[in-house]
Amino acid sequence: NAGVTQTPKFQVLKTGQSMTLQCAQDMNHEYMSWYRQDPGMGLRLIHYSVGAGITDQGEVPNGYNVSRSTTEDFPLRLLSAAPSQTSVYFCASSARGAYEQYFGPGTRLTVT
Amino acid sequence: LAKTTQPISMDSYEGQEVNITCSHNNIATNDYITWYQQFPSQGPRFIIQGYKTKVTNEVASLFIPADRKSSTLSLPRVSLSDTAVYYCLVGGMNTGFQKLVFGTGTRLLVSP
Repeated sequence: NAGVTQTPKFQVLKTGQSMTLQCAQDMNHEYMSWYRQDPGMGLRLIHYSVGAGITDQGEVPNGYNVSRSTTEDFPLRLLSAAPSQTSVYFCASSARGAYEQYFGPGTRLTVT
Repeated sequence: LAKTTQPISMDSYEGQEVNITCSHNNIATNDYITWYQQFPSQGPRFIIQGYKTKVTNEVASLFIPADRKSSTLSLPRVSLSDTAVYYCLVGGMNTGFQKLVFGTGTRLLVSP
């Protein structure tokens, strides 16, 4: 099992550009989440999904879109990048009812 | 979601036992206590979870007093590789474990 994979590992964007951060898991987990982590801070929940076709907002959803068309994939879209979105982005998955989340390696995004 | 308070940082030496205490005064009846570990440039990794009394696994022990208003993560005989940030999270049963809030954590530094 590859677990949770994220691409790209690094990305530099200019203000106003859009892009999609990819996340995939091969554990057949129903739940998937996106977090951002700013320097010296904990993780903040952006969006999450409890199954294909079902998504909901977390703590900091503004500027981000998600969709979940398959169990395996949960992409995060930045609509119009801003310097405030410079951060490390982590995707996580977990089984229904399970308390353990599995995290991907992260994507380090810089917006100039 | 119950708010947690942890020390910002702790220092230890190799071979010592480390105890990290987390305060969660407004923990709800159905809330679980979960601890994660995060190394630099990696996603968090689940360590242990408990509801009451004591839980032990191959990595750590979790002590929860009867009133459940605090919990202590115990790492026996730490090594340099235990240098990481440790997060205490409370919640899950009612709100969903994928929505747990990561605070700023406790930065543990283990020295030779």
